[in-house]
Formats: sequence, C-alpha cells, structure tokens
Amino acid sequence: DSGVTQTPKHLITATGQRVTLRCSPRSGDLSVYWYQQSLDQGLQFLIQYYNGEERAKGNILERFSAQQFPDLHSELNLSSLELGDSALYFCASSVEAPGELFFGEGSRLTVL
Amino acid sequence: GENVEQHPSTLSVQEGDSAVIKCTYSDSASNYFPWYKQELGKGPQLIIDIRSNVGEKKDQRIAVTLNKTAKHFSLHITETQPEDSAVYFCAARRGNNRLAFGKGNQVVVIP
Repeated sequence: DSGVTQTPKHLITATGQRVTLRCSPRSGDLSVYWYQQSLDQGLQFLIQYYNGEERAKGNILERFSAQQFPDLHSELNLSSLELGDSALYFCASSVEAPGELFFGEGSRLTVL
Repeated sequence: GENVEQHPSTLSVQEGDSAVIKCTYSDSASNYFPWYKQELGKGPQLIIDIRSNVGEKKDQRIAVTLNKTAKHFSLHITETQPEDSAVYFCAARRGNNRLAFGKGNQVVVIP
C-alpha cells in the first residue's frame, strides 16, 4: 500500500459527459502528480501541483483541469469526454518536488 | 525535453533465468534514473534507482547499470521468479525537472 488513495477505482460514462477523479496523497506529501496511462502510450504526465499551486504542466488537454485543495487532496476534472479519453489515470505524490513518486492504484475510466 | 525509450516492449523468460531491460535517454544532463514496477491492477512502485555519479547499483536480485557515454541504463533481474512478472518502467530526470518515463516493458516469467 503506497498510502495514496484514488477514487473511484472504476468509472464508466458516455461521450460528452464530465467526471471528477479524486486523489488523497500520502500523509505529509506536498506534491501531487497526475498521469494518464493508455495501452500504447505508457505513462503520460498531465499536471503537477505543489502545496496548492500548479508547478508543471504536461500533455494535458484543455478539456481537462485539476486543482489541489488546502488539505492537499487533488481532483482531476475531465469534461466533454471522448472515446479516446478511456484510460487509467494515476495520481502520485512526493514529499518534495522532485522526489520519489508514490503512485495510487489508479482510476480506470471507460468512455462509451 | 528528455525522451526515454525502452527495449524490448515484451520479454519472456524461463523461471530462474535472467532478464535484462534496456533504456536509452536523450538528455546528456539527466542525472537520476529510477525503475518502477507495475503489477497487474496496481500503480507503479519504485524498485531501484541510480544517480549519474554511480555506474552500477544492486539490491538483492535486481541491479541497474548506467552508461553515460552511450546514454543508456539497464535493469537486470537475476533468478527470475513468477512474482517478477510485471510491467517495468524506466525514467530519467535532469536536476529538478520532472521525470520522463519510457513506455514500459512487459516481463513474463514462465514457470
């Protein structure tokens, strides 16, 4: 158990819908990262927050947004969903940035 | 930015044999190289890492070697066991930049 909690574990929704994925980092970790994992693309970095502030942005679509709250949990919002957004979404946390990443078990999103 | 490539994409080995996964990176200034293991249904977990001031690091049955001149690093697993079956990701980082991950290697250990 990495100490990083992600909910929901599985989510099935339709195209055009909006979903929110939630991440609780390890106790004491200030940095949260979001990754997308699809079959042929490996781990694609989406966005990083450090102590509530956006620290780095990767290949995150404009339809996606994220935030980190004062209690350090984070949410990833995916809107106007498309079939191609079906993937595993991982949250990871670290004490500092950069630092060793601790990954949650992921949220599997299926868009039908 | 940094670009990391892994080879082969899938590797099958007989139980007890050794497995080697190789990664190449593009940024000669990268100085930190971790390996993550992802078991089925779980998130990736750090198993070993190496910094650029070291050529090799071992931890029981796993080892990582780094060749800075050729810009590649490899994961070596000896005496493979069924629980070694997983996807292995290599990554590289320069200074305080974020990690750049490879696409992953599926390792299958055949009993």
